[in-house]
Amino acid sequence: GENVEQHPSTLSVQEGDSAVIKCTYSDSASNYFPWYKQELGKRPQLIIDIRSNVGEKKDQRIAVTLNKTAKHFSLHITETQPEDSAVYFCAASNPNAGKSTFGDGTTLTVKP
Amino acid sequence: NAGVTQTPKFQVLKTGQSMTLQCAQDMNHNSMYWYRQDPGMGLRLIYYSASEGTTDKGEVPNGYNVSRLNKREFSLRLESAAPSQTSVYFCASSSRQVQETQYFGPGTRLLVL
Repeated sequence: GENVEQHPSTLSVQEGDSAVIKCTYSDSASNYFPWYKQELGKRPQLIIDIRSNVGEKKDQRIAVTLNKTAKHFSLHITETQPEDSAVYFCAASNPNAGKSTFGDGTTLTVKP
Repeated sequence: NAGVTQTPKFQVLKTGQSMTLQCAQDMNHNSMYWYRQDPGMGLRLIYYSASEGTTDKGEVPNGYNVSRLNKREFSLRLESAAPSQTSVYFCASSSRQVQETQYFGPGTRLLVL
């Protein structure tokens, strides 16, 4: 089955700096890669996603890149703010398998 | 729209007791999912239902059963709770299968003593 590895497990940055979280996946049939943000005590919520026919997608301060050949994708947050502090999860979705596999999460702390 | 709702929010069980976690969505989604979240382990899929009338096992189905009661409701049952099932349980739904955004419920925090 699909295996998703996410790094780093924890990340601490100064406010205004950039943050990068990386994920690798094993199943070349996966074609949808969402990123979810989970604030403390809250539910995960989608912040950005990318499909396998696209190499990069941006939404204001957030961007995701996908390298299908290397089977890895990354989340980039620029000009970080304290409210960006949360746990971020990547996921890889294989339509043939009918389910998503999540990474173990990255705890991002943005220091004011 | 309430989105995805779950009941109860918090539950304490003794080993061997049974209970059912309820989930409902009002977004007319076809697919529904049950995950458990343990510290440092991310979200692990227990069971999912691609459409009304179908259910499939996920990564960690042992000790659980599910029922897709109708298009709106998807319940998770623990027949004989064990301390290893202490976790936070999230229900989620999406308009079709996994190629679309999953919307999560607020979660149920379960403690098994």
